[in-house]
Amino acid sequence: GIQVEQSPPDLILQEGANSTLRCNFSDSVNNLQWFHQNPWGQLINLFYIPSGTKQNGRLSATTVATERYSLLYISSSQTTDSGVYFCAVPTNFGNEKLTFGTGTRLTIIP
Amino acid sequence: GAGVSQSPSNKVTEKGKDVELRCDPISGHTALYWYRQSLGQGLEFLIYFQGNSAPDKSGLPSDRFSAERTGGSVSTLTIQRTQQEDSAVYLCASSLLGTSGRGPTFFGPGTRLTVL
Repeated sequence: GIQVEQSPPDLILQEGANSTLRCNFSDSVNNLQWFHQNPWGQLINLFYIPSGTKQNGRLSATTVATERYSLLYISSSQTTDSGVYFCAVPTNFGNEKLTFGTGTRLTIIP
Repeated sequence: GAGVSQSPSNKVTEKGKDVELRCDPISGHTALYWYRQSLGQGLEFLIYFQGNSAPDKSGLPSDRFSAERTGGSVSTLTIQRTQQEDSAVYLCASSLLGTSGRGPTFFGPGTRLTVL
């Protein structure tokens, strides 16, 4: 099945800093999603981004499907941004099962 | 409802007992998924429903696990004769039509299952 790797695995930043999280996947995909799992375990959908760039407030994401990667940008980090960020893609083209990446644990220090 | 809801939020049971976990998807969402997440681990797919049918049950760990969905809405995940390795957070998710190029997936808050 498809392999999904994220980097870096851990990131510790001061409040106000910017960051870039990367998601690499091993095969062609027709969609990609970014999720934030907060410290209480809730998974929140950030972006559904098959290709191109989307922005939502301080967050933006870019997927380059032809090169098999996606980037999540977080600007002016806040402590509430702390948690684990996952990207997820369909396991096989047209398949409904999502394969989740290894995750990036982000810690924002006040 | 406004989001995916799950009940109970926490469940502690003794080894060998049966448990039922409930999921209410977002109204109108035809696709429903169950995942589980062990402590500090990633998400493990269990089963996918489209309407009341389950085209993909490939993630169910054993025949002790079963799930059903009725009325194209509420789903119940049943674990029989629970074992300690079943301890995990069980997450339900829904999407409008499905993930295959057709829309985002929304997760519920999860049910934390502890088997003593």
